[in-house]
Amino acid sequence: GDSVTQMEGPVTLSEEAFLTINCTYTATGYPSLFWYVQYPGEGLQLLLKATKADDKGSNKGFEATYRKETTSFHLEKGSVQVSDSAVYFCALSDPGGFQKLVFGTGTRLLVSP
Amino acid sequence: EAGVAQSPRYKIIEKRQSVAFWCNPISGHATLYWYQQILGQGPKLLIQFQNNGVVDDSQLPKDRFSAERLKGVDSTLKIQPAKLEDSAVYLCASSFGLTNTGELFFGEGSRLTVL
Repeated sequence: GDSVTQMEGPVTLSEEAFLTINCTYTATGYPSLFWYVQYPGEGLQLLLKATKADDKGSNKGFEATYRKETTSFHLEKGSVQVSDSAVYFCALSDPGGFQKLVFGTGTRLLVSP
Repeated sequence: EAGVAQSPRYKIIEKRQSVAFWCNPISGHATLYWYQQILGQGPKLLIQFQNNGVVDDSQLPKDRFSAERLKGVDSTLKIQPAKLEDSAVYLCASSFGLTNTGELFFGEGSRLTVL
């Protein structure tokens, strides 16, 4: 079945450091790919998405590019802030399914001043 | 705009007891989801409703879990009897409909501890 693999955390960075969180997927067909974020005490919320190969999703300084050849969707940010501390989930949606999301295990990011 | 509301936020019960969680989705959202998130794992879909009909319940342990959305608005998830391995956060989410945009709106979750 479809699955998503994320790098384990926590990822600990200093403010203004470069961030990469790796995500690879296994799916039949061509899924849509997403990054969701969960800030402390809040619900999951969509951060960015890409629906086809070579698409780049971006939001709040975060970017991820849909790489079909490597089945990857790595999350990047050039300069992290303390407020970016959260848990990040990579997910896919089967194009034939009814918007069912399959999530990775999540990666906790801790940014220190 | 009000978000997805869930209650209770926290519940502690002993094994073999029963528990129910309630979810009120965003107004106008036809699709409602219940996810289970065990500590250290990603959320796993338990059941998905489109209005008051079930679209997918393939991963719902039907011998102990049940869910309903009688009027196509709010929903209740019940566990009876609970097992230790049911300790998790139960997330409710909603979306406009069955389109592949992937934008689900999540509530804050209900954390269940089974002793």
